[in-house]
Amino acid sequence: EVQLVESGGTLVQPGGSLRLSCAASGFTLNNFWMTWVRQAPGKGLEWVANINQDGSEQYYVDSVRGRFTISRDNAEKSLYLQMNSLRAEDTAVYYCARARIFTSWPNEELAYWGQGTLVTVSS
Amino acid sequence: SVLTQPPSASGTPGQRVTISCSGGRSNIGSGTVNWYQHLPGTAPKLLIFSNDQRPSGVPERFSGSKSGTSASLAISGLQSEDEADYYCSTWDDSLKGAVFGGGTQLTVL
Repeated sequence: EVQLVESGGTLVQPGGSLRLSCAASGFTLNNFWMTWVRQAPGKGLEWVANINQDGSEQYYVDSVRGRFTISRDNAEKSLYLQMNSLRAEDTAVYYCARARIFTSWPNEELAYWGQGTLVTVSS
Repeated sequence: SVLTQPPSASGTPGQRVTISCSGGRSNIGSGTVNWYQHLPGTAPKLLIFSNDQRPSGVPERFSGSKSGTSASLAISGLQSEDEADYYCSTWDDSLKGAVFGGGTQLTVL
């Protein structure tokens, strides 16, 4: 069974840093593009970033580019999101998600999702 | 949002409802559209991929279509359990990233 479990969400001050983790099980991580999606309180889903199978290719939404870094450790079966210079508007539930199938191009058919981890940026 | 959805939709049990998603040439016009169902406090669920394909386990009541720079999700035989938020999504070649619509809150009256 495919499982994705996010962790690392907490309360952090503006300007601070945080690293989110997503533990993957039930499939071979290095076969799939992986994605982070977030949902701010009372708002809709927002795509944040994705990364290809070997980590050599990443894409980001403009609002986080230069502040957030997506990475992965296939041997550890984990996906990460390093978040720096955090702002109040980064407050959200962060989900990791897996592409439906293997592709060599960015695949945003997100067939599997974790339950999310809450990041709150506030003083 | 780059993709425009109506903020709300409603229907009575058994009815058919459609949710629209309007985009542009760099996103819907040049790629395929996915639809997600999201209940608050739960993980989003892939409902439709590649414009009109259903993952296994998704009832046939859900169908998707795309024409030009717009897409639609149709739900027939509406049920109370369909009450949720629905999002369209696709890749945007100009932004070099994926985009979601603003979401449509579906109410079953």
